[in-house]
Formats: sequence, structure tokens, C-alpha cells
Amino acid sequence: QVQLQESGPGLVKPSQTLSLTCTVAGGSISSGGYYWHWIRQPAGKGLEWIGRIYSSGISNYNPSYRSRVTISVDTSKNQFSLKLYSVTAADTAVYYCARDSPTNPVIFHMWGQGTMVTVSS
Amino acid sequence: EIVLTQSPGILSLSPGERATLSCRASQSVSSSYIAWYQQKPGQAPRLLIYGAFNRATGIPDRFTGSGSGTDFTLTISRLEPEDVAVYHCQQYGMAPIFTFGPGTKVDIK
Repeated sequence: QVQLQESGPGLVKPSQTLSLTCTVAGGSISSGGYYWHWIRQPAGKGLEWIGRIYSSGISNYNPSYRSRVTISVDTSKNQFSLKLYSVTAADTAVYYCARDSPTNPVIFHMWGQGTMVTVSS
Repeated sequence: EIVLTQSPGILSLSPGERATLSCRASQSVSSSYIAWYQQKPGQAPRLLIYGAFNRATGIPDRFTGSGSGTDFTLTISRLEPEDVAVYHCQQYGMAPIFTFGPGTKVDIK
């Protein structure tokens, strides 16, 4: 059974770069033709899709973040990563990594448990 | 960009009652691109319904999705205490972009 696990600093200073990693356990990130996503949820608010990456490295981003986000994949480590630049307090949220379905790329079939990131000096 | 609106914001019902949750899109959306997720307190969301009316694996049949065009509905036929959660609708757009509604919180009286 594939499992996703987010990791990274829980506290980031304003104007710095938020960096998170999602480790895929129980399966290869390169097999199956999946998209790997980052989604966030500010406290008490709804979910926001940040972007996705295919195992080949092709990525797509939410236009709201496009100018300050990079998602990358490291197949040798079975991980994919998120970098969000020039963060502000508005970027404080729980960040989730997720994967689509084997037969349906428009849904989020599997989720990590989420990691809380606070932006504060 | 398509905006999703969910109503009501909070739904408080007694066990055994029927819960009807609405998700309205600002433009017509293909039913294939509508999904619903259940998020219990302190947990990650879990896929409930995809393609507007298909239950995900392991989802009880008291959960039913329906709708078309701009109006979609999630119905819980007989509310159980374990159904206390926030329910999110989600749509896929061709940019590609994925958007979510603000969620409906379901409480038990």
C-alpha cells in the first residue's frame, strides 16, 4: 500500500523560502503514470491546489502561485518537493502532498497526513 | 477560473436524518470533473465521490452524489455520528487547474 509523508521545517521566516518534501513509501514514484500534487489549507479555510508534477518532471502550477513556486521530483529518492519563495504570513497553512487515481487524473485519490507550516519572524 | 460555492456553511442534524449538501459552480462543469471529499477533524481529506456520482472504494452507500451543469449535491441518507466532518467539493479545469469549494461542516445535534 502506497503511503505519502510530508516533511520539512514547521517555521519559516517571512521573505524566506518554504521547502517541503513528500516521500513515497510502498511504491515507486516513477511507475504507474501518476501525477503528484501539493495542496494547502490555511487554518479554518478551504483547500487550495498549488501544483502537480509527473514522474517525467513535467509540472503544472496554479496561476495564483506560478511566479513563486517550484515543484520538483527526485526519482532516486522516491520523493517530490515543493519550494515556495518569498513567503508571508498568508502562506501559513497545513500542506498536503497527494496523488491522483490510477485511472482518473482529475481527483486526489491518496493524501499524506499533512504538515503544518507557520510563517513568522 | 471556475469558482465553487458550497451551502450551507454549517449543517447540524440529528442521527438518522438526511443531509443534503450543495456545490454550485460559476460555470458549467462536466460531471466527470466533480469530486467530493470528507475531512474529519485533524485528518487529511478522503475521497468520497468522483465523477459526480461514483463512490470511491470503501465508501458506504448512504453517501450519494448527483447533479449536472452548475449544480451538484452530496446526500448522506442517514446521518451517523462518524459522519461529523467538513465536506469539500472539487472540480478540474482544463488549464489544468483544480479548485475546491469552501466546505460544508456537518455536525450532530
